[in-house]
This record gives sequence, structure tokens and C-alpha cells, in this order.
Amino acid sequence: GEDVEQSLFLSVREGDSSVINCTYTDSSSTYLYWYKQEPGAGLQLLTYIFSNMDMKQDQRLTVLLNKKDKHLSLRIADTQTGDSAIYFCAEEDSSYKLIFGSGTRLLVRP
Amino acid sequence: EAEVAQSPRYKITEKSQAVAFWCDPISGHATLYWYRQILGQGPELLVQFQDESVVDDSQLPKDRFSAERLKGVDSTLKIQPAELGDSAMYLCASSTSTYEQYFGPGTRLTVT
Repeated sequence: GEDVEQSLFLSVREGDSSVINCTYTDSSSTYLYWYKQEPGAGLQLLTYIFSNMDMKQDQRLTVLLNKKDKHLSLRIADTQTGDSAIYFCAEEDSSYKLIFGSGTRLLVRP
Repeated sequence: EAEVAQSPRYKITEKSQAVAFWCDPISGHATLYWYRQILGQGPELLVQFQDESVVDDSQLPKDRFSAERLKGVDSTLKIQPAELGDSAMYLCASSTSTYEQYFGPGTRLTVT
């Protein structure tokens, strides 16, 4: 079945860039997503990328998609302490269901 | 800004008891989703509604879980009887399309 994998933890210094990586298995995914979850809260959609794109930029966020390697990354420029959260990668399967990874916990050190 | 509402935010129940969660989606959103998120994992879809009809309930443990959306607006997820392994965050989301799901704050369930 479909599977999405992410590294568990990333620690960066405030002002640096953060790069969160994700691999997925469903090559037919039309959209791929990044969600943010703060403690005790629901998920917030950060951005998504259509499968025929290689890159999408939205303010401090840059999404890179390597369809050949089924690799997705999220780069956060000028990372702030408010960016500390869990980031989830998700792929959309052939029945339009979202399959989430286990999340990457980002810690931003002052 | 419109939000998905869920209640209660926290629920503690003893095993074998019944428990119910409520979700009010964003007005006008025809699609409603219930997810379960076990601590340390990503959300897993339990059931998806399109208006009042179930589109996907393949991951819903139907021997103990039930979900309804009678008028195609708000929805209730019920567990009876609750088991220790049901302890998790239950998230509701709604959308007008598949690529923008808006999540509520969730209900954290603890079964003792």
C-alpha cells in the first residue's frame, strides 16, 4: 500500500533555513501537501504542489518535488521560533484519500 | 475566518463505555472527514462523507465505531464500547475540494 516517510526530528537556529524531507510511494499522486501542527491543535495546510510541477514558492516556503525519486522537500527560509511545530507530508492516493507521514518535529533554537 | 468546530476538546472515559464526538464543518463545505491520530503518528482517515453519504469508511472499525451526518451538515462519531487502544486525537476536517482540507482543533480521547 501507499507509504509516506519522514525523518523524525530537525533542530535549527533561528534565522537559518530549515529543510524537511519526505519520500512517498504512490507515483499516481496528483497533489502532495505540507501541513503544520502546533501542540494540542489541528492541522494547518501550509502549501501543496501539483505533481507536474518541480517547485513552488510561497513567501518563506519553497517546495521541491522530484517525481523520479518520489521525494518531496519543504524549505523554510529565515526560520523563526514560531515555526517550531510538527510538519506532516501527505500524498493523495488514487481515490483522493490523503496518506500522511508520521511527521517531523522542528525545533527552532533562539 | 470560518473554522471547523469540534467538541468536546478533551474526553476521558473508562473502557467499555460509549463516547461521542461532534463536528461542525465550515459552512458550505460538502465534504467532511474524520481522522484518528495516534500519538507520534500522522492522521489516518476513518470516514469521509459527501453531503450525507459515506464515500469511504474502509478504515472505520465498524464493530465499534459509527459515524453519521444526517442532514449533510454537522457530524457525530461514536465509539461503543471504547477500548484502551482507542486513546488518540480525533480530528474532523471539511473541504469543498480534495486539495484544501481544513482541520478542526480535535478531540483528545483518553480511555482508562
